[in-house]
This record gives sequence, structure tokens and C-alpha cells, in this order.
Amino acid sequence: EADIYQTPRYLVIGTGKKITLECSQTMGHDKMYWYQQDPGMELHLIHYSYGVNSTEKGDLSSESTVSRIRTEHFPLTLESARPSHTSQYLCASSFGGISYNEQFFGPGTRLTVL
Amino acid sequence: TQLLEQSPQFLSIQEGENLTVYCNSSSVFSSLQWYRQEPGEGPVLLVTVVTGGEVKKLKRLTFQFGDARKDSSLHITAAQTGDTGLYLCAGGNDMRFGAGTRLTVKP
Repeated sequence: EADIYQTPRYLVIGTGKKITLECSQTMGHDKMYWYQQDPGMELHLIHYSYGVNSTEKGDLSSESTVSRIRTEHFPLTLESARPSHTSQYLCASSFGGISYNEQFFGPGTRLTVL
Repeated sequence: TQLLEQSPQFLSIQEGENLTVYCNSSSVFSSLQWYRQEPGEGPVLLVTVVTGGEVKKLKRLTFQFGDARKDSSLHITAAQTGDTGLYLCAGGNDMRFGAGTRLTVKP
């Protein structure tokens, strides 16, 4: 079983609020990822990181930021939440270096913005 | 960006039937992964294929990587209701996912 955790699992907030979604992994993985997924739909890469102090933008990154100060922690911040941000947010991690990028996913955070 | 196209998008079958879903690209991949996702949960890795022409079996699931390493297939024999879920393929250094095949196995 993968040791990757996301909190909160569910979040309902009002428009304009600043929120941070937490993701932690205890596997010592170098690479971490954030995806956004609407129910039953494809995963969209938001941000990823190759290691500490490394962050890269994905396809839907313009309205969020991430940080990677510690290997095990990769939080995602929405500065001003909007109803269009309502979705499921999935965090994942994988080994770095020469690897096949096999990802281990957290259980997700389901965000609803009213 | 290396794009992955999955087909069919939706598949509904009766328990006991066989099925095959596909993951295709115009790009060459060093490896491809297959994941299965249940509603409300994160995807779970099923298998990684690495070598062109490779075939891997996981109980009733058979995964094949194309000779040119541009495509892959997943074949399920005698599907069960527990196989219901979203099947995703992924690959490439930037870890893009296909849109997935949503499989429903009816009792």
C-alpha cells in the first residue's frame, strides 16, 4: 500500500478564499505531481516537482502555486478560489533518477467552491 | 508533449465476456503504465511495460506493448463486476495520462 497522504479529503469553501491542499509521502520519492480531475474524466497535470526546490508548471497551473521545501511535502495553494476550481485534486509521487515514473497516488481532495 | 489516445472511451459488457482496450500514440515511449481508478479514489498502478513486443499477465489481465513502443493494449478475460472502473494509460517523462476507458461490467 502506497504511503501518500492528502488532506483534507473533502473541502467546501466560498469564492475568493485562499486554500492550501496538503500532500505528504513517506516513500522518499523525488518526484511529486498534482493533477486535477473532474468525475470520470481525464487527469490534467497542474504542477510537478523533480525534487527539493524544483517546481514545474503543467497544463492547468496558471491559477495555483506549489512549493517543495521538503522531499516529503508538496502543498498546492489556490490564492483565490472560484467555482471553476470545483474538482478532485490528486497528488502522486514517483522515484527519481532512472525509473519508469511509476506513480503512487493519494486518495484525493474533493474541493467544492460555492 | 507526447499525447496518448485511449479507445474506446466507454465500454459496457456482461460479466464473463472478454474485452480489449487500447492506448495509442504517434510518439515512442520508453515505458507505458496502466492504472485502474475507482470512483472517488486515486489511480492504482497495474503494470509497466518497457520492451517493444512485451506481454505481461496479471491474473485475467494481459498487457501488450507494441513492437514500436507507440501503443499498448489491455485484454481482460472473463470480466467480473469487480473489474468495473476507469482504465488509464500513462507514459513519457512529463507523465501525461490518456483520457481513459470507462469500463462497466454488468452482472
